[in-house]
Amino acid sequence: EAGVAQSPRYKIIEKRQSVAFWCNPISGHATLYWYQQILGQGPKLLIQFQNNGVVDDSQLPKDRFSAERLKGVDSTLKIQPAKLEDSAVYLCASSLEGVVSGANVLTFGAGSRLTVL
Amino acid sequence: AQSVTQLGSHVSVSEGALVLLRCNYSSSVPPYLFWYVQYPNQGLQLLLKYTSAATLVKGINGFEAEFKKSETSFHLTKPSAHMSDAAEYFCAVSKGAQKLVFGQGTRLTINP
Repeated sequence: EAGVAQSPRYKIIEKRQSVAFWCNPISGHATLYWYQQILGQGPKLLIQFQNNGVVDDSQLPKDRFSAERLKGVDSTLKIQPAKLEDSAVYLCASSLEGVVSGANVLTFGAGSRLTVL
Repeated sequence: AQSVTQLGSHVSVSEGALVLLRCNYSSSVPPYLFWYVQYPNQGLQLLLKYTSAATLVKGINGFEAEFKKSETSFHLTKPSAHMSDAAEYFCAVSKGAQKLVFGQGTRLTINP
């Protein structure tokens, strides 16, 4: 089966500019996640969707980050305006399970590496 | 809230030697525990998971981990390291319906 697709793979922007990342999960996967992975740290959950509804966005900096999942399939994550500390790899993941459970197995995309200058 | 601590940000072993990557968790109730591996420029891939069945969990590529409640540990082992095992390894914990929380990762280097 095709994996989780993400684009762009790399993006360099100046601070205060905006950027958008796109994710296409595995077909049929109900749950979609966006993680932020700062260099030297483990991934941190930004937002979790179940179908097209938000399950958890408690760690999403809502003053600058936004995310949507239209029609319960693709998702976009936007940052506006970007700060230096947003430099990180943004990982998208999906899971097959249609129920929210800590036991869900996540399949990750390769990530989008953002550098903010 | 649950958390994980991975002891050692960098582990180096010789090819053919035992691999031991340490993970300790903090959780008030029996958790779900995972090990994920990340190869360069790739996403994370599940190695194995513990969900309260057998305490010794076998995963892919010859890795296994043992859940020890008394030590709150879930260490990852492999009897004989291979060059292809060089990667970053992440331990992660969750419980109930709560989100997955990752450790900071351990970079494994294999020496020829």
